[in-house]
Amino acid sequence: EAGVTQSPTHLIKTRGQQVTLRCSPISGHTSVYWYQQALGLGLQFLLWYDEGEERNRGNFPPRFSGRQFPNYSSELNVNALELEDSALYLCASLPLGPTGELFFGEGSRLTVL
Amino acid sequence: KQEVTQIPAALSVPEGENLVLNCSFTDSAIYNLQWFRQDPGKGLTSLLLIQSSQREQTSGRLNASLDKSSGRSTLYIAASQPGDSATYLCAVGRGTASKLTFGTGTRLQVTL
Repeated sequence: EAGVTQSPTHLIKTRGQQVTLRCSPISGHTSVYWYQQALGLGLQFLLWYDEGEERNRGNFPPRFSGRQFPNYSSELNVNALELEDSALYLCASLPLGPTGELFFGEGSRLTVL
Repeated sequence: KQEVTQIPAALSVPEGENLVLNCSFTDSAIYNLQWFRQDPGKGLTSLLLIQSSQREQTSGRLNASLDKSSGRSTLYIAASQPGDSATYLCAVGRGTASKLTFGTGTRLQVTL
């Protein structure tokens, strides 16, 4: 069974540009979470999508947004990139059921110059 | 607001040693606690999940315990190996589908 897949794995952008990151959850998982891991900082919760709806968002500006598609895959969009947006962006999916166990992908490494 | 702390921040041990990583959290109203491993520049690999009603979970050489009332969890690694070198993260959740709050991690190096 395939795990959580993310694309692209690495990308470089310049300040002011826009970026879209993609995530495919494990088959059968309906919830997708996005986290940011900036250098020297811990994992910060960004967004949570379930059944196509945004359920919760972390303390990030509105230029961070996303969506979830009917097949439960998700996109994270970041507009007007700033240098401090350079980070590893991790996607996780959650299966139905009571365990609450998250499964993470390998991440997308974004560098903003 | 839940805060999760991991001590020590870094640890270096010789191969073969048993070791304990610590995780503490400020709000004991948790639903579960998950331990992860992260290799440099990589994603997170789930190691163990403990539900709030459980005291411990074991997987191979790993054993995680949970004391919810005191806000603490430990990850015990037996007979450490160089391949265990990684950053270990603990995270707590408040519900079945709530976001996880992560600790800052313990960077482990196991030397030959």
